[in-house]
Amino acid sequence: EIVMTQSPATLSVSPGERATLSCRASQSVSSNLAWYQQKPGQAPRLLIYGASTRATGIPARFSGSGSGTEFTLTISTLQSEDFAVYYCQQYNNWPPSFTFGPGTKVDIK
Amino acid sequence: QVQLVESGGGVVQPGRSLRLSCAASGFMFSSYGMHWVRQAPGKGLEWVAVIFYDGSNKSYADSVKGRFTISRDNSKNTLYLQMNSLRAEDTAMYYCARPELRLGELDYWGQGTLVTVSS
Repeated sequence: EIVMTQSPATLSVSPGERATLSCRASQSVSSNLAWYQQKPGQAPRLLIYGASTRATGIPARFSGSGSGTEFTLTISTLQSEDFAVYYCQQYNNWPPSFTFGPGTKVDIK
Repeated sequence: QVQLVESGGGVVQPGRSLRLSCAASGFMFSSYGMHWVRQAPGKGLEWVAVIFYDGSNKSYADSVKGRFTISRDNSKNTLYLQMNSLRAEDTAMYYCARPELRLGELDYWGQGTLVTVSS
């Protein structure tokens, strides 16, 4: 079973600053890595898939990078609406395997 | 537009069963694999199960294997999760989710249905 870890658990950032979130897989997942944003009381929203491709409608300030076991989500200039919890997720279509990381909470400094 | 609406949640005693439904609309349901994902109160996301577009293949998280069964009725555009032998640790919001391109990339989510397992 692939285990996903994320760091830090909480990231305190001021609006307008850059945020860098990390995700690590216990074994290589190639580029089969997605990032989701979740706000309180809402369902998650897909931000990034294939480690670096923005989903439809996602602003360019969100970018993803990495492959293998180390991944990064960068929010270049934090907006007020970006304060949320971010999850990474690995996926393998066959045999089916899907695992979420524990999440990083981005809050206001 | 794509719409996923979960139902069937509620309060249930440990050891009992519950069946969740996810009604899909706005797309060709029979063409997409579908997932269940859950979230315990105040906790992170946990993938639960996936079913291929035609029901030919299913996969489960170890935590629910042997107790939960995912199924679908493509004629009714509905996804199901049969949950047996429920435990307190199954208490969570249950979401159904649909990928757009690849099976594991969950582009669309419902708003969830809450399951509480308590005596």
